[in-house]
Amino acid sequence: QQPVQSPQAVILREGEDAVINCSSSKALYSVHWYRQKHGEAPVFLMILLKGGEQKGHEKISASFNEKKQQSSLYLTASQLSYSGTYFCGTPNQAGTALIFGKGTTLSVSS
Amino acid sequence: NAGVTQTPKFQVLKTGQSMTLQCAQDMNHEYMSWYRQDPGMGLRLIHYSVGAGITDQGEVPNGYNVSRSTTEDFPLRLLSAAPSQTSVYFCASSYGRGGSYGYTFGSGTRLTVV
Repeated sequence: QQPVQSPQAVILREGEDAVINCSSSKALYSVHWYRQKHGEAPVFLMILLKGGEQKGHEKISASFNEKKQQSSLYLTASQLSYSGTYFCGTPNQAGTALIFGKGTTLSVSS
Repeated sequence: NAGVTQTPKFQVLKTGQSMTLQCAQDMNHEYMSWYRQDPGMGLRLIHYSVGAGITDQGEVPNGYNVSRSTTEDFPLRLLSAAPSQTSVYFCASSYGRGGSYGYTFGSGTRLTVV
């Protein structure tokens, strides 16, 4: 079942912060985050595993709450290079493929 | 190390034609998947494979066939193209259950069916 992302779109000025949420109706043991720039392929940012861990990539971090079946991506002090569409992905039941949310488009301007 | 290679990059088909989108990876990844990306719909899983000879259907498999005769190659066949199959297609690969180390995507094939 497809995870649900919110918000659909975010518009920021450089230096501002944003949070993107990803929730699922089924139990999760991991959540992936990817970023896709316009006209390019999605690129892996990080994976969050069961246990509530947080991870970071540049000034981008994420958390995972398996009890609430949700993950959040935190973008702090945003830069122009952060613009793109962010996808969360959750494994299918067998853990053999990823099911992605519809994405959140982030636009950062100067 | 090429990663995931998709060919062709662009293709225009007429309704009813068939074609094969190629995907090859040189990382010895066991897991491979095909996705289609349409505006506002995100990445939808078409078919996936967990190794040579093993494939399964994803969220939107109708109109597509796959096979996996080697670890490296995972072609996607459109049997009789329809305008609804106009999309950008991505192939991705990973290893470890749940894609534990992240999926690597190919650069995509932009397909237009007229």
